[in-house]
Amino acid sequence: GENVEQHPSTLSVQEGDSAVIKCTYSDSASNYFPWYKQELGKRPQLIIDIRSNVGEKKDQRIAVTLNKTAKHFSLHITETQPEDSAVYFCAASIRNYGQNFVFGPGTRLSVLP
Amino acid sequence: GAGVSQSPRYKVAKRGQDVALRCDPISGHVSLFWYQQALGQGPEFLTYFQNEAQLDKSGLPSDRFFAERPEGSVSTLKIQRTQQEDSAVYLCASSASIGETQYFGPGTRLLVL
Repeated sequence: GENVEQHPSTLSVQEGDSAVIKCTYSDSASNYFPWYKQELGKRPQLIIDIRSNVGEKKDQRIAVTLNKTAKHFSLHITETQPEDSAVYFCAASIRNYGQNFVFGPGTRLSVLP
Repeated sequence: GAGVSQSPRYKVAKRGQDVALRCDPISGHVSLFWYQQALGQGPEFLTYFQNEAQLDKSGLPSDRFFAERPEGSVSTLKIQRTQQEDSAVYLCASSASIGETQYFGPGTRLLVL
């Protein structure tokens, strides 16, 4: 089945710097890759997603890139702010009867003022 | 509109007790998912419904776990004879249809003593 790896597990950056989180997946049939942000004790919230027919997607300070050949995708956050501090999860879709997700183990991002 | 809601938000159970966790998806959402999230880890898939049909239950860890969605809206996850290893946050998510974005509820934090 699908396996999703995520690196790094923790990341500290200075406010204003960029942060990059990378994920790899194993199932070449996966075609949808969302990124979720989860603050302590709260629900995961979708921040950006990308489908396999697109190589890059950007939304203000957040961008995601996808390399289907290498089976990896990355989250890029520019001009980081303290409120970006959270745990970020990548996920890859697996196709059974629906669109189930396999999540990565998460990256704890700390933005230092 | 209202997002996904779950109840109770917190549940403390004695080992061996049965528990029932409720999920109210976003109105009109066809797909409903249950995930288990252990402390410091990403959500892990448990089961998936398309309307009232449970199309995938491959993630349920044992036959003590049972989920239903009899009318295609509200879903209940039941855990019989709870064990300490069942302690986790149980997340529910819904999506408008197959392949669409999944929106998560706030989760139910279960602690089995």
